[in-house]
This record gives sequence, C-alpha cells and structure tokens, in this order.
Amino acid sequence: NAGVTQTPKFQVLKTGQSMTLQCAQDMNHNSMYWYRQDPGMGLRLIYYSASEGTTDKGEVPNGYNVSRLNKREFSLRLESAAPSQTSVYFCASSEPGNYGYTFGSGTRLTVV
Amino acid sequence: KNQVEQSPQSLIILEGKNCTLQCNYTVSPFSNLRWYKQDTGRGPVSLTIMTFSENTKSNGRYTATLDADTKQSSLHITASQLSDSASYICVVDSNYQLIWGAGTKLIIKP
Repeated sequence: NAGVTQTPKFQVLKTGQSMTLQCAQDMNHNSMYWYRQDPGMGLRLIYYSASEGTTDKGEVPNGYNVSRLNKREFSLRLESAAPSQTSVYFCASSEPGNYGYTFGSGTRLTVV
Repeated sequence: KNQVEQSPQSLIILEGKNCTLQCNYTVSPFSNLRWYKQDTGRGPVSLTIMTFSENTKSNGRYTATLDADTKQSSLHITASQLSDSASYICVVDSNYQLIWGAGTKLIIKP
C-alpha cells in the first residue's frame, strides 16, 4: 500500500547513544517532515524538507539533524540522545499547496 | 502567540450517541483549519479541511463547522461507533505553518 514507512517502530536508547530514524514515502511527494508528539501536547515540527536537497529547522530542532537522501527518503538523527528526547516521532509527506499530509505510523523512542 | 486549544481533553460516550468536540484558536494569519483522527499507535489521518469561506464540511458521520469571526471550530460525530475511539486533533494552517492542538481523547463504550 502507498504511504509513509518509518523504521524502527520502537527503540530504547541509553543517554548519549546515537541513532537514526528512517522514513520513506512512495507517493512522489516533494515535501517531508519530522514531528515529535509528547503527552498532552500538540505535534511539534522538528525539521522539514520542502523539496529534495533542502532542509529547514522547525519549532524544536535542537539535538537533531536530518538528511534528505533523495526524493523518497528523509532521515532523522539523534547524535547524543537525552531523556528529554523520549517521545513518539512521526514522519509525514505532502505536496506543497496540497492540504493532505500523510503520516507514518510513528517511532516510539525511550531514552534512559 | 499562535495557539490552538481543544476541549474537552477527554470524553466517554456510549455507542450510538452523538458528541461534539470544540476547538478555539488564536492564529494569524489563517489559511485553513483541519481535523485529524489519530488511532492509538498510529499517525494522524485527515478528516476535513476548511478554508476561511467554508462554514460546514462533512465526511460521513463527521461534520466540522468553522466560525472564522469567533475563531472557533467544532467536530460533530453522529451515531458513534466503537471504531470512533481515538484522539481528534484540530490543526490550524498559518501560511503552511501548522499549529496543532493537543487533541481530545474520545472513548466509545459499548
């Protein structure tokens, strides 16, 4: 089925460890996004990529880096994980000007 | 500061009953307002999108209203089903910057 695929679905990290969250979409969308969702709060934008080759900071970029590897793939890297980064991470894609965002099923990350 | 506030935080109703969820926003400029449904353990899925000029929009048993003057929106669910149990999130688009509400957690009991 067409959509946004995120891996892994679950991950536990120790403080200071690094990891990369992977995201791929097969809808030929130009724009891709990384959000985090914390209990009692709305989704917050970490980084986005309006098109292949470009990335921009969102609302909460500190502690994260991204790579738009090609049109399909957009990865999120935590260089030195902190407990404050415990969250559920969602990747999404859309066409500019298109109202519809398609979300992946999320990565639940726990940093201990 | 741009904000989207939803009420109630949580709601429990019996299967077959109707319910209305509220969304108040202080966002400028305003492009459109969206309602998403998020099942537990899944990403949000779009239900409706309304621009400034639209007052009402339906998607099956879901009907969203928008009052741009008072900056309020509601989502009405008719004849609820067990599968409606989810979080419902109101999102305001401000020139392609999405401002997300915290959501209303709806539980449908048989």
